[in-house]
Amino acid sequence: GQQVQQSPASLVLQEGENAELQCNFSTSLNSMQWFYQRPGGSLVSLFYNPSGTKHSGRLTSTTVIKERRSSLHISSSQTTDSGTYLCALEKGNTGKLIFGLGTTLQVQP
Amino acid sequence: DPKIIQKPKYLVAVTGSEKILICEQYLGHNAMYWYRQSAKKPLEFMFSYSYQKLMDNQTASSRFQPQSSKKNHLDLQITALKPDDSATYFCASSRGTGGQNTLYFGAGTRLSVL
Repeated sequence: GQQVQQSPASLVLQEGENAELQCNFSTSLNSMQWFYQRPGGSLVSLFYNPSGTKHSGRLTSTTVIKERRSSLHISSSQTTDSGTYLCALEKGNTGKLIFGLGTTLQVQP
Repeated sequence: DPKIIQKPKYLVAVTGSEKILICEQYLGHNAMYWYRQSAKKPLEFMFSYSYQKLMDNQTASSRFQPQSSKKNHLDLQITALKPDDSATYFCASSRGTGGQNTLYFGAGTRLSVL
């Protein structure tokens, strides 16, 4: 089975609403990263978050290693937030990331 | 300006042919990677290189061969192409490997094998 499970698979919001994206992993890890994949395909790093809570503008990432989960909170969503959010865990020391399938977010005006 | 350049952006190939996907990074990073994204599948790790040396290879087929002529180059040669190889191939880089390294991705090369 997949080592990284993301939920929900898709989400539709009205602009201004908040979103909570979940990432659960079934294996031990070195770290957790969140990425945003634009509709055109390129990926942008949002957070490197091995544990605890990190903030960046309207985004908050919280990773709880003991519970094998990480979450991404988007507050006051905007149409430009639309796209796919991917979480990935790092195992070993070769830089290998294992990705989830992502959450596709659509923010409507 | 993009700091990780992948060429070409789109590529159409005939089954059985050979293609080379180009990747150059201008971030001064020491580690480079290739990932593949196929429809309905997670982004899949293929190779990692550090200081031009292979660190990890998760690709079962020898038809996929990374080539590193310089520290900031990691090309991907694919031989005997099959329709199942159709995917978007992403190059990435990081300062190092082994933890605490954010990955930066290129825009990808979308490969279609007919």
